[in-house]
Formats: sequence, C-alpha cells, structure tokens
Amino acid sequence: DTGVSQDPRHKITKRGQNVTFRCDPISEHNRLYWYRQTLGQGPEFLTYFQNEAQLEKSRLLSDRFSAERPKGSFSTLEIQRTEQGDSAMYLCASSFAPRDTQYFGAGTRLSVL
Amino acid sequence: ELKVEQNPLFLSMQEGKNYTIYCNYSTTSDRLYWYRQDPGKSLESLFVLLSNGAVKQEGRLMASLDTKARLSTLHITAAVHDLSATYFCAVEVLSYNTDKLIFGTGTRLQVFP
Repeated sequence: DTGVSQDPRHKITKRGQNVTFRCDPISEHNRLYWYRQTLGQGPEFLTYFQNEAQLEKSRLLSDRFSAERPKGSFSTLEIQRTEQGDSAMYLCASSFAPRDTQYFGAGTRLSVL
Repeated sequence: ELKVEQNPLFLSMQEGKNYTIYCNYSTTSDRLYWYRQDPGKSLESLFVLLSNGAVKQEGRLMASLDTKARLSTLHITAAVHDLSATYFCAVEVLSYNTDKLIFGTGTRLQVFP
C-alpha cells in the first residue's frame, strides 16, 4: 500500500495555458475525490468518482475543468485556459467505499502567473 | 448548505498546557473527521467519530462528538512542539446523489517552549 500518489507536485504555468494533473488512488479503492485548497482555507470539494463514473461535480468546477477516471483506476484533472484564480493546491483522495475514511495524496500545487 | 466553523483560527500555546478546539456544523450529520496538516503537506486522518457521544483518544489528542449540539471538540493535553500543525474538522455529507467532506477553515496550532 503506497498511499495516494499525485503528479506533478508543483506546476507553474502562464495564464491561458492548459494543465493536467494525475492521481493514483490506493489500490482497490473504488471512490476517488478531488478537492481544491487555497491558502489559509480548508479543502473544498470539486468532484468524485465511483469506479469510472463521475457522480457529482461541484459548482466550483467551471466548464474549464474536466476530470476523468478511465477504467476506474487513476484519474486526471485538466484545467483549460488557466486563470490566476486557479492557483491553489489540488488534492486527491480515495476511499474503499462510501462512509470509509478518505485518504489524501500530497497534492499538486498550481501557480498561474 | 452545510457550513462548518472552527474556532479558534489560530492558537499559540505553551508546552505543557491544555486547550480545546471547537468545531460547529450547521446541519445534521452523524460522521465527523479530524485531520492534521503540516505545512506544505497533505492531510493525515486523526479520528473518525461515528455517533453521538463518541470519544476517541490518541496520545495527547482526544476528540468527541455531540450530534445534538452539532459540535465536536479536539482536546489537547500537555501540548508538545510536535503537535504544531493545522487541524481541520470535516463533516461527511452522504446521500443518494452526493458523497463529500465539508471542511472547516482549520485551526493553526503553534506550540512554543
């Protein structure tokens, strides 16, 4: 059990560029979650998957954001036409089933210049 | 919408002292988590409280839950420097069409000699 893995750890990009983050959940965890955390705040829910199905998207997830989890394994979060307001830590979490503890990865810190 | 409030937001305490962090939430939930976050790191699960009156202890930390008052507390006994971190409470929202954690704003704890 290697824990939740996220890549890259840091990403610096220019405004208007597209970025993609990857999350590898704990093996056999069926649920995968994305959260966003800005400085001095608690994480905010973005979206979650049950296996490959995306079951809920937060209002925070604008049309520029898209998340996928092909084959129910790793997940990607893409942000198109990045804006400075997208600068944040993007956290991925996984759990075995509903009502189980969510285990978090180390996050990807995005800085949009 | 569910809101989760923590207080205090900042806590500077001397080693050896006791203190309590409070977490209030606005709607019914029967599952509450406490997480710890070190600077630049991800969230580490500390406790999950599953029912009214639940109490859990680990080392110098003890968490409790009162679902009727919609209140959880995290009590620190005889603080040591290693406890310096940010502590988040998170309330689970689970229904047929949603599964997420709503986090408080966090309490930044600094323990000094």
